[in-house]
Amino acid sequence: EPEVTQTPSHQVTQMGQEVILRCVPISNHLYFYWYRQILGQKVEFLVSFYNNEISEKSEIFDDQFSVERPDGSNFTLKIRSTKLEDSAMYFCASSGLAAQETQYFGPGTRLLVL
Amino acid sequence: DQQVKQNSPSLSVQEGRISILNCDYTNSMFDYFLWYKKYPAEGPTFLISISSIKDKNEDGRFTVFLNKSAKHLSLHIVPSQPGDSAVYFCAASGEVGGSNYKLTFGKGTLLTVNP
Repeated sequence: EPEVTQTPSHQVTQMGQEVILRCVPISNHLYFYWYRQILGQKVEFLVSFYNNEISEKSEIFDDQFSVERPDGSNFTLKIRSTKLEDSAMYFCASSGLAAQETQYFGPGTRLLVL
Repeated sequence: DQQVKQNSPSLSVQEGRISILNCDYTNSMFDYFLWYKKYPAEGPTFLISISSIKDKNEDGRFTVFLNKSAKHLSLHIVPSQPGDSAVYFCAASGEVGGSNYKLTFGKGTLLTVNP
């Protein structure tokens, strides 16, 4: 069964460093998303991406964040200068041909900013 | 901002019995609802969904009921199995603020099924 994959599974970085989180969505999906979950809190929407551009972004997704689909398979989230409060699980998701279809999630990347 | 609420942080049931997980929402623009299951250190796994044009959707042991007038949905698991022990998230989407892409999640309910 097709699945969303994410790398790395864990990332430890120093405050102020750049990180890139990688995702391979399900191959025939057209909509891509990033969510995050800070420990003990809700899963929160960060950004959605369709047709090579951002469809929507949340207030969390400020200028320190960017997304890219550099080739036909990868979807990346970059945090340019990490802060302590960026420590969270980051989940990539993808959905199919319509905007309101089921989103399938990857296993997540645990980011720890020291 | 608690547009999707799961008021029970935890639920414990005996194996073989019914598990009922509840979810309330406040935004009447939500029109698509999903339940996800999540194990520790894994991503949310899709379980079942329901569109606002329906009031019930069933898939094997899982049934979701939607009461639009009460803005309430529930997930029934019958019979419950120990492998069902996980955190269950309710999520919603709809034409909210001009977008129908993002999912809004509840805080989750930890279900424990005891053998």
